[in-house]
Amino acid sequence: GQNIDQPTEMTATEGAIVQINCTYQTSGFNGLFWYQQHAGEAPTFLSYNVLDGLEEKGRFSSFLSRSKGYSYLLLKELQMKDSASYLCAVSPYDKIIFGKGTRLHILP
Amino acid sequence: ETGVTQSPTHLIKTRGQQVTLRCSSQSGHNTVSWYQQALGQGPQFIFQYYREEENGRGNFPPRFSGLQFPNYSSELNVNALELDDSALYLCASSVGTGAIYGYTFGSGTRLTVV
Repeated sequence: GQNIDQPTEMTATEGAIVQINCTYQTSGFNGLFWYQQHAGEAPTFLSYNVLDGLEEKGRFSSFLSRSKGYSYLLLKELQMKDSASYLCAVSPYDKIIFGKGTRLHILP
Repeated sequence: ETGVTQSPTHLIKTRGQQVTLRCSSQSGHNTVSWYQQALGQGPQFIFQYYREEENGRGNFPPRFSGLQFPNYSSELNVNALELDDSALYLCASSVGTGAIYGYTFGSGTRLTVV
């Protein structure tokens, strides 16, 4: 079976750094995705990790440890527009399975 | 290049009715995946279509069915609607079935069952 866990909600301050953790257990692994979803909108792609290590893309970075079944998304220099849900998703084979998402609140 | 378009954007149906949701995949994409997203939850995988054939199905009853057409557009049909079917239905297209290609999502259809 598949199981993906991430915190339900987090709060951070504008300009700060926040780390959103994700743990997973899946039968098969072809990569881990992070998506951003603003309320009422479609998910948008942020990152894809298939090998262990850190992938950096501007203010966003994503880390993967396959042996630990663990990933995190790091958001730096937080802006108000970063208030959204962040979805951790794993591809066991050729599908993408999503976690429940972490709702991130940014305080001014 | 056009993205993924879904229609309608909003829909209200009565319990027991049937509904058809439509999805036009992004140009060049041959795979369509459908997801159901309840309020405050992550998207749940319903099924995937690849070159007009079902290519995997999540934990949804048979009253959820689908089609993919030669132009790779797709339909999601739900029979005997239940109140719990109220959700945002997302369609995502990709170049192939492999995860490495990533998914492009449409804006979704918000279905309300009353």
